[in-house]
Amino acid sequence: GDSVTQMEGPVTLSEEAFLTINCTYTATGYPSLFWYVQYPGEGLQLLLKATKADDKGSNKGFEATYRKETTSFHLEKGSVQVSDSAVYFCALNFGNEKLTFGTGTRLTIIP
Amino acid sequence: NAGVMQNPRHLVRRRGQEARLRCSPMKGHSHVYWYRQLPEEGLKFMVYLQKENIIDESGMPKERFSAEFPKEGPSILRIQQVVRGDSAAYFCASSHRVADTQYFGPGTRLTVL
Repeated sequence: GDSVTQMEGPVTLSEEAFLTINCTYTATGYPSLFWYVQYPGEGLQLLLKATKADDKGSNKGFEATYRKETTSFHLEKGSVQVSDSAVYFCALNFGNEKLTFGTGTRLTIIP
Repeated sequence: NAGVMQNPRHLVRRRGQEARLRCSPMKGHSHVYWYRQLPEEGLKFMVYLQKENIIDESGMPKERFSAEFPKEGPSILRIQQVVRGDSAAYFCASSHRVADTQYFGPGTRLTVL
């Protein structure tokens, strides 16, 4: 079946550091790929998405590129802020079907 | 332009009681999904509904759990005879008819004593 594998956390970085959270997937066909962010005590918010190979999703300084050849969708940000501290989930789906999530990566940014 | 709404936000039940969780999708969305997040884990799909129809319930436990999305009113996730293992955050998401992006509500955190 479809699956998503995320870099295990927790990840702790200093403010203004470069961030990479790895995400790879296994799926039959070409799914849409997503990054969701969950702030403490809140629900999930869509951070960015890509629907086909080589698409780059971007939002709030975060970027991720859909790499078909490596089946990856790594999340990057050039300079993180304390307010980026949250749990980040990589996910995939096909059309209007259910989302399959990774286990999440907890990110803590220290001043 | 309200987002996905869920209530209650927090629900406490004793073992054996029933829990009812409500979800109102975004305006114009006719697809509703329920997910469960156990402590320190990712989200797991439970059920996918369209108005008056269950499309995919492959993630629903076989007993005690049911879901509906009536023609009028919110979607309801119902858990009968709750047990401690049902303690989790339950999230609802909705999507537009032809789009593939799901938008999530704030969740209902169920605690079973």
